[in-house]
Amino acid sequence: GENVEQHPSTLSVQEGDSAVIKCTYSDSASNYFPWYKQELGKRPQLIIDIRSNVGEKKDQRIAVTLNKTAKHFSLHITETQPEDSAVYFCAATPGSYIPTFGRGTSLIVHP
Amino acid sequence: SQTIHQWPATLVQPVGSPLSLECTVEGTSNPNLYWYRQAAGRGLQLLFYSVGIGQISSEVPQNLSASRPQDRQFILSSKKLLLSDSGFYLCAWSLAGVSETQYFGPGTRLLVL
Repeated sequence: GENVEQHPSTLSVQEGDSAVIKCTYSDSASNYFPWYKQELGKRPQLIIDIRSNVGEKKDQRIAVTLNKTAKHFSLHITETQPEDSAVYFCAATPGSYIPTFGRGTSLIVHP
Repeated sequence: SQTIHQWPATLVQPVGSPLSLECTVEGTSNPNLYWYRQAAGRGLQLLFYSVGIGQISSEVPQNLSASRPQDRQFILSSKKLLLSDSGFYLCAWSLAGVSETQYFGPGTRLLVL
């Protein structure tokens, strides 16, 4: 089955800095890669996703890049703000529609 | 638009008591449905998923069971709760055969004492 590794487990940055979270996956059949943000006590919410036929996708301050050859994808957040503080999960989804999630990254943005 | 509901929001139960958590989806037909558990400060563990009424797949052996009595209703149950069943239970749905994107419900926080 699919195996997703996510790093780092904790990331602390100053407001205004950039943050990068990296994930690797093992199953070359995975073709859909969503990222979720989970604030404390709340549900995970989809913030951005990318499919295997695209190398990069941007939405305002967030972007995701995908390297299919190396089987890794990354989340980039620029100009971080305190409200970006949350746990971020990556996932890799093969054709079965059952995603495998990473273990999460706790992002802390210091004002 | 689609909406997903879960209840109750919070539950405190004694060890050995039964459990029933309910999830319903509005605004779509024949969704794929999922139950996840999240222990405090941990990741998402897939417990069950369903691609149709009465069709349940279990991902891990455990003290819990799931049922799908109606197209948009997914129920998580236990006959006797264990301390280790405490956690944040999340239901999710996706559009079967159309999109892999999962959308999560608000969750039920369960504390077993």
